[in-house]
Amino acid sequence: DVKVTQSSRYLVKRTGEKVFLECVQDMDHENMFWYRQDPGLGLRLIYFSYDVKMKEKGDIPEGYSVSREKKERFSLILESASTNQTSMYLCASNNGPSNQPQHFGDGTRLSIL
Amino acid sequence: QKEVEQDPGPLSVPEGAIVSLNCTYSNSAFQYFMWYRQYSRKGPELLMYTYSSGNKEDGRFTAQVDKSSKYISLFIRDSQPSDSATYLCAMSRGGKLSFGAGTTVTVRA
Repeated sequence: DVKVTQSSRYLVKRTGEKVFLECVQDMDHENMFWYRQDPGLGLRLIYFSYDVKMKEKGDIPEGYSVSREKKERFSLILESASTNQTSMYLCASNNGPSNQPQHFGDGTRLSIL
Repeated sequence: QKEVEQDPGPLSVPEGAIVSLNCTYSNSAFQYFMWYRQYSRKGPELLMYTYSSGNKEDGRFTAQVDKSSKYISLFIRDSQPSDSATYLCAMSRGGKLSFGAGTTVTVRA
């Protein structure tokens, strides 16, 4: 089974802090994704990556950046956290043709105070 | 207008009932259609994946796609308390998924 692991289940940070969310997948998947999930809005794509050192903006990239230095690891960075970035963050991965289903981690619930 | 609209629920049904979940979409470029199940404090897990119009069955679950009407459905037969979760529809174009907002289902024992 595909395993997507997010390093923290719950995280509390302060406004203005730089925040790192880490994601690791163990199936040698080429593609990795970061979403945020908010009530009534569903999942929205922040950034994705098709290869090491490559990144593409999703639908809501403002205030975020990403890093993919190794194939199995994809990091989401909040450069200067703000209260409107309080949310559930989900990492996903898939392989091959990009229309293949994505496999998700269990999420990081991030609170910005 | 959102690309993918999902009945917001919540839905509460007695054990054994048929659960019917629906999504509509506006972009005919969507080619692949999925249903995910998300338990509380967990990530979404794939339930059904299809790319053609028609029905696809897997155990108690049936996914239905009508591309001409831009409408997809998920039916759960003989629902169980363990089916209590949030169900998300998703559809893919160009490798990117667009999600519905999710429907929370509670199956009462």
